[in-house]
Amino acid sequence: DTAVSQTPKYLVTQMGNDKSIKCEQNLGHDTMYWYKQDSKKFLKIMFSYNNKELIINETVPNRFSPKSPDKAHLNLHINSLELGDSAVYFCASGADLNSPLHFGNGTRLTVT
Amino acid sequence: GIQVEQSPPDLILQEGANSTLRCNFSDSVNNLQWFHQNPWGQLINLFYIPSGTKQNGRLSATTVATERYSLLYISSSQTTDSGVYFCAVGLIRDDKIIFGKGTRLHILP
Repeated sequence: DTAVSQTPKYLVTQMGNDKSIKCEQNLGHDTMYWYKQDSKKFLKIMFSYNNKELIINETVPNRFSPKSPDKAHLNLHINSLELGDSAVYFCASGADLNSPLHFGNGTRLTVT
Repeated sequence: GIQVEQSPPDLILQEGANSTLRCNFSDSVNNLQWFHQNPWGQLINLFYIPSGTKQNGRLSATTVATERYSLLYISSSQTTDSGVYFCAVGLIRDDKIIFGKGTRLHILP
């Protein structure tokens, strides 16, 4: 039973489109995150939610909008996709803000 | 902001060799984790180690928080150890968990 699951695994789309990535965790954790991994493998935090409340918004363009309908879910919606948005997006969860992170398997987004 | 530096950036070893990976950080932290990203892209949490020493099979880690560094030891390397090893830290004064740029490890058969 997967602890942190992301869908879809791959996403190929054209510039200007709007797309969403879904994340669900079944660990009962309070905190969820979105990270972006670029082509050089650098992992950068985008958002953090604790108990459905936005804690961190790391100067991400407002084309990116996270949404947490409940503690187990954190979805990422991206408007007006750009070439530079191509990356692997990872969802993660932790029991609280100072706990080990558990990552999903990532969503590889390719914008053409 | 906090600097998280990992060394070496790249490491190529023969199967069976031992290695030490280092993570230096520039501020006080209350959260330090080591991750392995395998060739399939999965990120696996190896250790949660804000201080002290832990061991898990052939892997062990030590964090000296007062001197702002952590070490990851891999003994008797296997080809399945190949991948990228990341150190991630969380600041005492912040809620962010920041990743270093990683050490790329390649174990030759």
